[in-house]
Amino acid sequence: DAKTTQPPSMDCAEGRAANLPCNHSTISGNEYVYWYRQIHSQGPQYIIHGLKNNETNEMASLIITEDRKSSTLILPHATLRDTAVYYCIVRPYSGNTGKLIFGQGTTLQVKP
Amino acid sequence: GAGVSQSPSNKVTEKGKDVELRCDPISGHTALYWYRQRLGQGLEFLIYFQGNSAPDKSGLPSDRFSAERTGESVSTLTIQRTQQEDSAVYLCASSFLAGGQGETQYFGPGTRLLVL
Repeated sequence: DAKTTQPPSMDCAEGRAANLPCNHSTISGNEYVYWYRQIHSQGPQYIIHGLKNNETNEMASLIITEDRKSSTLILPHATLRDTAVYYCIVRPYSGNTGKLIFGQGTTLQVKP
Repeated sequence: GAGVSQSPSNKVTEKGKDVELRCDPISGHTALYWYRQRLGQGLEFLIYFQGNSAPDKSGLPSDRFSAERTGESVSTLTIQRTQQEDSAVYLCASSFLAGGQGETQYFGPGTRLLVL
């Protein structure tokens, strides 16, 4: 599975957009980009995933570069409850058991 | 149920004792995964079930760890002769299918295991 690189920590002001980057320069054509987050003492929560097109749902937007070597998760109006560790994961479309390989993620601190 | 449930939520045991951790996946989900998260660390994959069979056990750290799943539903992770390094949060996830089509995994709240 492709490895991902994320900054260890980021701060964001409440109400502002939080932009979390992820590098996945060795991503293969059949690999999806997934984002999960883990709020303290809880299980990981699915946020969004995409293959090559930008995606948006009620939680966030995912912007994937044209060469697919990097992506950005955007939380449009961060709140204090968005403080969490955010994980960017790449995962094959098929031929795989589906296990997720988690890195260290980015700790996002939303400040009042 | 609405989501993945796990029990117990917390477990304290003495070194050398056996423990059983339970996972109830989302109804209809055929794939089930166990992960472990040590304090301050990321998640480590342990084992994956497709139905009742376990095609990938590559993450089980030793033969003290085993898991089973019955009826494409409940799964039990058993740790025999627990050691202090087994202390961690054990997380279960399920998905409708595994692998193909990028199926999304949904996680339970975890079982916090402390081995004294």
